[in-house]
Amino acid sequence: NAGVTQTPKFRVLKTGQSMTLLCAQDMNHEYMYWYRQDPGMGLRLIHYSVGEGTTAKGEVPDGYNVSRLKKQNFLLGLESAAPSQTSVYFCASSPPWKRGDNEQFFGPGTRLTVL
Amino acid sequence: QQQVKQSPQSLIVQKGGISIINCAYENTAFDYFPWYQQFPGKGPALLIAIRPDVSEKKEGRFTISFNKSAKQFSLHIMDSQPGDSATYFCAASIFFQGAQKLVFGQGTRLTINP
Repeated sequence: NAGVTQTPKFRVLKTGQSMTLLCAQDMNHEYMYWYRQDPGMGLRLIHYSVGEGTTAKGEVPDGYNVSRLKKQNFLLGLESAAPSQTSVYFCASSPPWKRGDNEQFFGPGTRLTVL
Repeated sequence: QQQVKQSPQSLIVQKGGISIINCAYENTAFDYFPWYQQFPGKGPALLIAIRPDVSEKKEGRFTISFNKSAKQFSLHIMDSQPGDSATYFCAASIFFQGAQKLVFGQGTRLTINP
């Protein structure tokens, strides 16, 4: 099993450009998440999905859109990139919520720089 | 209040010493408290986790101590090794708006000197 994979690994954009980050998981997990990681701020939830065809906003959703057309894939889009979106982006997946046991499995991350 | 506060931001420990990282939370609805370990260039991975009805959990050299009344929990790494050098994140889980969510602390960069 590959677990959670992300493409691309690195990307440099100019302000105003758009791009899509792809996340794929082969664990048949219902839930998928997109986080951004910035120094001193931990991981912050951007958007999440509780199943195919569903998406919802997390803590810092502005400037991002997502889609979950297939259960195994979760796409994160930046329509018009800004320097404030320079960050490392992580995708994660997990099985449905179970009280007291909720491990999330993370991908290796995408390092995005917006100039 | 869905925040988790983690300290210190960075920590240097000698090989064989004890590393201690602390976290505090406010929301009593959190029901699961994991610690994630992240090596440079990698994604976070679950290290150890505890439920709020347990005061301590030990797995090898790693122990979580949980104080429900103080709303604090900590990670202790005994006999710290250079291979433990990584960034550690505490987190708290809550079921909110139809999904389980993790709220992460700010992270602690741990360096173990040989």
